[in-house]
Amino acid sequence: DSGVTQTPKHLITATGQRVTLRCSPRSGDLSVYWYQQSLDQGLQFLIHYYNGEERAKGNILERFSAQQFPDLHSELNLSSLELGDSALYFCASSAYLGTEAFFGQGTRLTVV
Amino acid sequence: GIQVEQSPPDLILQEGANSTLRCNFSDSVNNLQWFHQNPWGQLINLFYIPSGTKQNGRLSATTVATERYSLLYISSSQTTDSGVYFCAVGQAGTALIFGKGTTLSVSS
Repeated sequence: DSGVTQTPKHLITATGQRVTLRCSPRSGDLSVYWYQQSLDQGLQFLIHYYNGEERAKGNILERFSAQQFPDLHSELNLSSLELGDSALYFCASSAYLGTEAFFGQGTRLTVV
Repeated sequence: GIQVEQSPPDLILQEGANSTLRCNFSDSVNNLQWFHQNPWGQLINLFYIPSGTKQNGRLSATTVATERYSLLYISSSQTTDSGVYFCAVGQAGTALIFGKGTTLSVSS
């Protein structure tokens, strides 16, 4: 158990819908990262938050957004979902910048 | 941005064999991690190794930062070692960038 908790584990939804994925980092970790893993793109970095502030953006679509709350948990919002958004979404956390990152079990999103 | 290349892309072994996985990266890094993704999709931390050598049971890793590569050694492989091994690197507080992985299949 990495200590990073993601909910839900599985999600099936229709095209055009909006979903929210939740991540609770390890206790005390200030950094939260979101990644998308699809069969053809591998593990792609989406966005990084540090202590409530957006730190960096990767390959995140405009239809996707995220935030980190004062209690340090984070949510990833995916809207206007398309079939191609079906993927495994991971959250990771680390204590500070550049320290060892630990990954949650992922949320498997299926868009039908 | 930084490029991460892993080799070989696929590896098939008999139980008990040894193997070496390689990770090359294109620029200096402050963070390098090896992960094992098991058949259930979980990403399991193996090593945090921006430089030097570490060992954990049958696994060991070496990173030569000045030459921009890292090696993961698996000795006496077991069927439970099957899965995908990822190398990921980060620079100065940035997020980890992943290689495409090495898919390992160990048969009994």
